[in-house]
Amino acid sequence: KAGVTQTPRYLIKTRGQQVTLSCSPISGHRSVSWYQQTPGQGLQFLFEYFSETQRNKGNFPGRFSGRQFSNSRSEMNVSTLELGDSALYLCASTSGGSGNTEAFFGQGTRLTVV
Amino acid sequence: SQQGEEDPQALSIQEGENATMNCSYKTSINNLQWYRQNSGRGLVHLILIRSNEREKHSGRLRVTLDTSKKSSSLLITASRAADTASYFCATDAGGTYKYIFGTGTRLKVLA
Repeated sequence: KAGVTQTPRYLIKTRGQQVTLSCSPISGHRSVSWYQQTPGQGLQFLFEYFSETQRNKGNFPGRFSGRQFSNSRSEMNVSTLELGDSALYLCASTSGGSGNTEAFFGQGTRLTVV
Repeated sequence: SQQGEEDPQALSIQEGENATMNCSYKTSINNLQWYRQNSGRGLVHLILIRSNEREKHSGRLRVTLDTSKKSSSLLITASRAADTASYFCATDAGGTYKYIFGTGTRLKVLA
């Protein structure tokens, strides 16, 4: 069974640009969530999608958005990039049911904003 | 901040020794999960323990959970150099569809 796949693995962008990151969950998993990891703030929750619906959202500005497609693949978009958006972006995949399901993470996308 | 705390922040031990790291959290939970991360790469899932469980084993890993104290511990026995990594706990924040991560413990195992 393939794991969680994130693309691209690395990105370098300029301030003011926008970026789209992609996440393909484990086959059969319907929930995808996104996290930002920085040395200063640690791992912070961005948002979670299940069956194309956002069920929860973290405390990030509106420049951060996401969506999920009918095949459960998800994308997140960051517009008007700032230097502080440089981070490792991780997505997690679960079956999405309530209760006790394991969350599996991808290798992440390392975004550098210059 | 809802973020959990882990201690120690860093731990350095000799190969063959045991490593114990602790996690405290703030909200009620359905489960707690432990992850390993090597050098800023993805998170590798180690073990999930449910709120009604007190202890769980997986290979050289032993996890305990004390919901009354809102704390968990991860014990790695007979550590190896390959165990060198950062370890994080994550709680499900009571069914909110998000995980709250601890600050992590950086483990270094010396050969």
